[in-house]
Amino acid sequence: NAGVMQNPRHLVRRRGQEARLRCSPMKGHSHVYWYRQLPEEGLKFMVYLQKENIIDESGMPKERFSAEFPKEGPSILRIQQVVRGDSAAYFCASSLQGADYGYTFGSGTRLTVV
Amino acid sequence: RKEVEQDPGPFNVPEGATVAFNCTYSNSASQSFFWYRQDCRKEPKLLMSVYSSGNEDGRFTAQLNRASQYISLLIRDSKLSDSATYLCVVNKGSARQLTFGSGTQLTVLP
Repeated sequence: NAGVMQNPRHLVRRRGQEARLRCSPMKGHSHVYWYRQLPEEGLKFMVYLQKENIIDESGMPKERFSAEFPKEGPSILRIQQVVRGDSAAYFCASSLQGADYGYTFGSGTRLTVV
Repeated sequence: RKEVEQDPGPFNVPEGATVAFNCTYSNSASQSFFWYRQDCRKEPKLLMSVYSSGNEDGRFTAQLNRASQYISLLIRDSKLSDSATYLCVVNKGSARQLTFGSGTQLTVLP
């Protein structure tokens, strides 16, 4: 039973390029969460999605960031026109029944903007 | 005020020591509480849930005080492998997502 799968593990982008981060939840999990962890800082909530719906995007920056969780395929976190400050570890998590029972994280994507 | 506050440490303790971490949360409507551990440059992993009556899992004991909005984690007989950052985690009353503290760093020394 595969866990939460994220890819790529490492991603290097030049300033101004687009970054696409993918997350496949655990089998049977329909709740997906994205978090960002800046160097030497804690995890910050970005967005919570269920299939084809954004449930809570209160942590998403207003510009350049978007997320989706289509009916088929992985959840995608998209960052347009990346800047150096976007360099961070991006973790995806999934759960079976929302946040009440905790969730399981993927191993993350480390984005470096050069 | 931060939603979840933890002493960042670092805590450096010898093997076999007992160490306690504390955490406070600001939202009195919070309903679910957890401790996660995060090893350097790895993903957070669920260590244990925290229940109102307190709960134990081997060498780990978690306590919750709803009146004081305070959570604790006690680690007995520390092992080298316990070295990690311990994250206090709280579910907002709306149950939409978990809020993470900034973590307390623990190093167990031989």
